[in-house]
Amino acid sequence: SQQGEEDPQALSIQEGENATMNCSYKTSINNLQWYRQNSGRGLVHLILIRSNEREKHSGRLRVTLDTSKKSSSLLITASRAADTASYFCATAHPFSGSARQLTFGSGTQLTVLP
Amino acid sequence: DTGVSQDPRHKITKRGQNVTFRCDPISEHNRLYWYRQTLGQGPEFLTYFQNEAQLEKSRLLSDRFSAERPKGSFSTLEIQRTEQGDSAMYLCASSFTGEGRPHEQYFGPGTRLTVT
Repeated sequence: SQQGEEDPQALSIQEGENATMNCSYKTSINNLQWYRQNSGRGLVHLILIRSNEREKHSGRLRVTLDTSKKSSSLLITASRAADTASYFCATAHPFSGSARQLTFGSGTQLTVLP
Repeated sequence: DTGVSQDPRHKITKRGQNVTFRCDPISEHNRLYWYRQTLGQGPEFLTYFQNEAQLEKSRLLSDRFSAERPKGSFSTLEIQRTEQGDSAMYLCASSFTGEGRPHEQYFGPGTRLTVT
């Protein structure tokens, strides 16, 4: 079953604008990760934020985590047409017999128009 | 290329046939995962290996599915008596685990299975 839910399901913006995607999850986590997937391709790891972190930056990416609300957001600044892809949040859970597998949301489809 | 590779990239098969997919993880990674992804959804966990040991299987993994990682390196995923509902992208990922290391998983390009 999918634990995370991304919002919005689809987002269309103009090149140069910022894109914000949100993710909510249900159970406690060790960390939360964001991945990008171009159409028909594998997933590319973007950024990981640990449960004791609140904000993290990587290039044009900014991720926030609010464990009290069980939510995260991914901000892509100064978007480019090449950012067009599906974006997934994935959560890793505390070891309690689990495999530390990632539990993915259903994704946000981002379209950046030139 | 030192990333995760999968073979084949595409497979079309008739219902009832058996198929086998291969995954070659990043060489120093000790964990290997299989996921399945259907259109418009995120990947769903199927099973994982730590070295050669298969340590967990999802209830999504029916008896028709079997996975192996005989020498702790590459892995195979076999689906017997394929059904149309097996049509999906099968993704392999690998990671290196260690004390205090976060579980970043690196994904392969996937094998797209179409069962006709």
